[in-house]
Amino acid sequence: DAGITQSPRYKITETGRQVTLMCHQTWSHSYMFWYRQDLGHGLRLIYYSAAADITDKGEVPDGYVVSRSKTENFPLTLESATRSQTSVYFCASSEWSTTNEKLFFGSGTQLSVL
Amino acid sequence: AQKITQTQPGMFVQEKEAVTLDCTYDTSDQSYGLFWYKQPSSGEMIFLIYQGSYDEQNATEGRYSLNFQKARKSANLVISASQLGDSAMYFCAMRYNSGGSNYKLTFGKGTLLTVNP
Repeated sequence: DAGITQSPRYKITETGRQVTLMCHQTWSHSYMFWYRQDLGHGLRLIYYSAAADITDKGEVPDGYVVSRSKTENFPLTLESATRSQTSVYFCASSEWSTTNEKLFFGSGTQLSVL
Repeated sequence: AQKITQTQPGMFVQEKEAVTLDCTYDTSDQSYGLFWYKQPSSGEMIFLIYQGSYDEQNATEGRYSLNFQKARKSANLVISASQLGDSAMYFCAMRYNSGGSNYKLTFGKGTLLTVNP
């Protein structure tokens, strides 16, 4: 199906483990984003990418790594998970060829770090 | 710094009444875009409405309108004739240029709207 998909939908892991959250979009959008959502903080930008092989930090990048070797994929890796990284993670994409183009969101990944 | 402020953590409204959700923004850019998203309890993010910084008319989408006051840097969302299905978290967001031809979208902390029957 066309759209933006995240996997897994739910993930439980332990502190210190490496975890990778996957994001795939079928529109060939240039821009892709990773946000985390926490109560009282809204959505905070972790990393974003303006095109394949171009990534940049957002507001809360520490402890996360991203890559974008292909336009359609933008995985987010927690190198050594900590309890503070328990959150809901949203991937999003947009073309932004026009200023009013909205951001399309995936369904989110609920991550629990024990 | 680019920032969105939503000062109402929670709001209550009676069904069929109108409600205004506040949003103020801070930017020194001349060109930016303002968005509102709805997040129901299911967790999905639903786009509602967009306002460009150069748009002279307030944006409208069905029962949603955006009260854009540029001088006050406010972009309040007005929902007319509230329905029970409008109960959700609402996020205001701003798209801005982060350098060169790159853009980012920053969000406020959200307002939880509850519609009472």
